[in-house]
Amino acid sequence: EAGVTQFPSHSVIEKGQTVTLRCDPISGHDNLYWYRRVMGKEIKFLLHFVKESKQDESGMPNNRFLAERTGGTYSTLKVQPAELEDSGVYFCASSQDWTGQAFFGQGTRLTVV
Amino acid sequence: GNSVTQMEGPVTLSEEAFLTINCTYTATGYPSLFWYVQYPGEGLQLLLKATKADDKGSNKGFEATYRKETTSFHLEKGSVQVSDSAVYFCALTETSGSRLTFGEGTQLTVNP
Repeated sequence: EAGVTQFPSHSVIEKGQTVTLRCDPISGHDNLYWYRRVMGKEIKFLLHFVKESKQDESGMPNNRFLAERTGGTYSTLKVQPAELEDSGVYFCASSQDWTGQAFFGQGTRLTVV
Repeated sequence: GNSVTQMEGPVTLSEEAFLTINCTYTATGYPSLFWYVQYPGEGLQLLLKATKADDKGSNKGFEATYRKETTSFHLEKGSVQVSDSAVYFCALTETSGSRLTFGEGTQLTVNP
């Protein structure tokens, strides 16, 4: 069974540009989460999808971040326009149900220069 | 709000040394507690968990006991190996399936 897959693994963009991160959860997992680790600090929650609906987006830092989950399958996280402070590692996780263990992807390292 | 505090790293040990990574938490309810590990180039993996007070989670020689009285969940291993070199994250969730609150992570390097 394939795990959680994230694309790209690394991205370097200039300030002001747009970047889209993608997450493919484990097949059949209704719950999908985005997290971010900035500058070696703690991993912070961004948002939680249940199928295609946003269950909790209280961790999204500002309106430059837009997350979507088309048809309840893969999810994208778009940053537009990117700022220097957006640099970090973005993790995606999925779980089968409300009580299930969350499985994490390998992360996307975003560098904004 | 909820928070998790881990001991500052990085931690460098020799092979077969004893490992302790301290973790304390603040939560309004009765959280479940977790240790996640990130090996180089890989994603986060669940190492162990405990869901109620006095539970002991264990896996791969690592152990942690849920101490409600001290709000702690310290990670221990009696004899570390070079392959244990990784970043270790303590985390909690108050509702199964809800968001995880992580600590800052502790980089562990084990030298032969």
